[in-house]
Amino acid sequence: DQQVKQNSPSLSVQEGRISILNCDYTNSMFDYFLWYKKYPAEGPTFLISISSIKDKNEDGRFTVFLNKSAKHLSLHIVPSQPGDSAVYFCAAPYNTDKLIFGTGTRLQVFP
Amino acid sequence: EAQVTQNPRYLITVTGKKLTVTCSQNMNHEYMSWYRQDPGLGLRQIYYSMNVEVTDKGDVPEGYKVSRKEKRNFPLILESPSPNQTSLYFCASSLDLLSSYNSPLHFGNGTRLTVT
Repeated sequence: DQQVKQNSPSLSVQEGRISILNCDYTNSMFDYFLWYKKYPAEGPTFLISISSIKDKNEDGRFTVFLNKSAKHLSLHIVPSQPGDSAVYFCAAPYNTDKLIFGTGTRLQVFP
Repeated sequence: EAQVTQNPRYLITVTGKKLTVTCSQNMNHEYMSWYRQDPGLGLRQIYYSMNVEVTDKGDVPEGYKVSRKEKRNFPLILESPSPNQTSLYFCASSLDLLSSYNSPLHFGNGTRLTVT
C-alpha cells in the first residue's frame, strides 16, 4: 500500500525554466509533508516542508503547494539550475514512527 | 560538524556471511532509523529506535537485526545475508520522534551492499 506516490520517475527541464514535481497521497491524516533531495553517492537531505494546515510554503527558489481536497502536493523550482539535478522524494510522517517516502522523481536540468 | 556517519560505504559479501553496518550520529538525537533504497520502491524503513534500548520493526525487517545500547550508535546487523538484501542502505536520525516538521530526518551517505 503506497500511501505516498510520485508517478513521474523522471523530469527534464531547461535551465531557467520552472520545474514542477508532483506527489499524491492517500492518508488524509498526515500532519505535514516534506521534500528531500538526493544527489548520487549522498544521503537524502531535507529541502522544504509544509504543514497540513497551510496550502503554500516558500523558501527562495523552492515553493511547495498543498491541495488537501485533491490529496496532492507539488514542488516548484523557479528558476531551475543545473545544480538542481537530483532525485526528489516527497515524504510524510506516519504515527511519529517513520517517514513514508514516495518512489522519487529524477530531475535533470539541462543548459 | 553535525552528521550521521555510516561505515562501510561499499561492501561486497557472500551469502550467509554475517556482517554489520555501523551508524553513528553526533547530534544527540533520540530517534534513529534504517532505510533501504531499491529501484522503483523508494526508501523503505527497516527498523527504528525511539531511544536507547528501544527498537521496533519497520516495514521490511526480515533478515535484519539492530541494537541501540548507546544514544549515538545504531548498528544494522545481517546475520545471514542473502542476495535479495543487495541494496543501498541509509541510516537516519532526528531530534524527536518526527513529531514536528521542524525536526526532519538527517541521513548518512549510504552503504551500498552487494550479496553474491
